[in-house]
Amino acid sequence: DAKTTQPPSMDCAEGRAANLPCNHSTISGNEYVYWYRQIHSQGPQYIIHGLKNNETNEMASLIITEDRKSSTLILPHATLRDTAVYYCIVRVAQGGTALIFGKGTTLSVSS
Amino acid sequence: EPEVTQTPSHQVTQMGQEVILRCVPISNHLYFYWYRQILGQKVEFLVSFYNNEISEKSEIFDDQFSVERPDGSNFTLKIRSTKLEDSAMYFCASNYDRLYEQYFGPGTRLTVT
Repeated sequence: DAKTTQPPSMDCAEGRAANLPCNHSTISGNEYVYWYRQIHSQGPQYIIHGLKNNETNEMASLIITEDRKSSTLILPHATLRDTAVYYCIVRVAQGGTALIFGKGTTLSVSS
Repeated sequence: EPEVTQTPSHQVTQMGQEVILRCVPISNHLYFYWYRQILGQKVEFLVSFYNNEISEKSEIFDDQFSVERPDGSNFTLKIRSTKLEDSAMYFCASNYDRLYEQYFGPGTRLTVT
């Protein structure tokens, strides 16, 4: 089963920042936090991942709390095309290759 | 930008028939995966494949499923005798290293009647 907890849904106005929380209170020291999203019924799309430091790329920023028990994915300027289901996944570095998806957060961006 | 491709986009088959779903992973990738998503449910891992053998599989991946990399470019999922409950979207994915991001294909919608 997924080791993360996410709110089932969130709304965001177009142009505003979308902040998606994820709780992973049982995370181990060697587990990474990955974020993927799935737009409609398309294949999941990688967004970002991190271990303990905050990360930023062209799509988003990932903020991981100091105790690593939770994280927030930030889409700085949400657009209608960001409407999707967002998945927070924890994976151990030396473990298996599978991504274990939970139910994720459905983000609805409206104009 | 390189992408994972899958064929066909939609496959309809009768219960008990064999189906083969095809994927072309990104060319320099070494790890290959199959996932499925039953309508309205979450994405589920089926199997991963590396160095011409299965490296990991889930409980879903039972004896009716098999995977193969028949040549240097294709990666296939075979379902030997389809059941109604095999109806789902099947996604192929690949990556260069198991810790790197997985790139997913657009999926094949399998409908078993």
